[in-house]
Order: sequence, then structure tokens, then C-alpha cells
Amino acid sequence: GAVVSQHPSWVICKSGTSVKIECRSLDFQATTMFWYRQFPKQSLMLMATSNEGSKATYEQGVEKDKFLINHASLTLSTLTVTSAHPEDSSFYICSAAAGVGSPLHFGNGTRLTVT
Amino acid sequence: QKEVEQNSGPLSVPEGAIASLNCTYSDRGSQSFFWYRQYSGKSPELIMFIYSNGDKEDGRFTAQLNKASQYVSLLIRDSQPSDSATYLCASRTGGGNKLTFGTGTQLKVEL
Repeated sequence: GAVVSQHPSWVICKSGTSVKIECRSLDFQATTMFWYRQFPKQSLMLMATSNEGSKATYEQGVEKDKFLINHASLTLSTLTVTSAHPEDSSFYICSAAAGVGSPLHFGNGTRLTVT
Repeated sequence: QKEVEQNSGPLSVPEGAIASLNCTYSDRGSQSFFWYRQYSGKSPELIMFIYSNGDKEDGRFTAQLNKASQYVSLLIRDSQPSDSATYLCASRTGGGNKLTFGTGTQLKVEL
């Protein structure tokens, strides 16, 4: 149980374009999902907390207008990287828990390369 | 100030040995702790979690928690080359699901 699916697993886009990443909880409902970013050889950095039916909570230093988060249902959250630039190239990972206090499970991640 | 601290390593152990990974945390309000394994280029996968003081065993893995000293450890018995990965320690404070991660310890199990 507690499977989190993320799509796509990798994407290459041109500078200035936007990219949408989907995160789905397959066998449970998640009122909260978390979006992380990880640069090579660095630890996970929490970007934002996605809240079903309300606005996302962004961590300090993360541009909310650049990283748009939508959590329209209990099983789907999306992260859109708008006007992507090469410095946005990174590994983006979502996570969710099957219930309050339950362990977080991670999606397989999306490797974004902006050329 | 980092709330969860780990030695970045690499920690090298011979195959078959016990690998000991340590983690300290600064927030005394932290209530639960998690160990994740992350292979290079992959996302983290949950190994174990522990809420209470003492030891918790699951197969070759044992998690240890000492809230008075504010440390958590993960022991891996009979280490295998497939255990070579980065191990992330995380803590959770309060009733939500938000985790604070350490920077991870790289483990290398050598033949």
C-alpha cells in the first residue's frame, strides 16, 4: 500500500517554456502532498506543501509564481515550472502520507533538464 | 541551524559487517523519526520509522532512538553491496506529515 506515482520520470524542455509534473496517490487519499527538489549530491530541499482544496504553502525562498502548485483532488497534485531556465534543471520529487502521522512515501521523481 | 545532523561520509564497511549510521536532532519536540535509503539517481524509499525510545528491529535493520540524548541510529547487519546508498534521517514535529531531513550519510559496502 501507500504508492505514490509521479509523471513524467524525465523531461527535457527549452528555456522559457513551462513543464507540468503530476503526483498521484494510487491507493490512498492525501489531503497534503509535499514537493521536494534535489540537486546533484545534495540533500532534499522542501519546496512547498500542497494542500487539497486550498493554496499551497511555500518554503522561504521558493517563488510561488514560478512553481505553481495545484491540488484539485485528494489523489492528485501538480507542480508546474513556469518559464523554465537552465538553473531549474533538477530532480523534483513528490511525497505523501496515507494518513496523519503515517510515514511519507515518495514518487519516483522527475528529472528536469532545461536547455 | 540544521535541525537534523548526519555525517556525510562516506562510511565504508566490508561485506558482512554491521554498518552503524547516526543522526542527531535539535528539536526536542520531534516525535517520530524515519530512515530512508536513496540510491543514486532514484527517489528515497522508506526503510524504518521509530516513535518510542529503544530499539526497533526489522530484518537486518535496527533503528535506535534515544530522546534524552536526541539521537537516532540505524544499524544494518550483514551488510551487502546492495546496501550501498545514501541514508537519510528525518524527524517529524507535531501532528502533521512534514519531515525535516538530514543531509544524508553515504554508505559503501565493499567486497
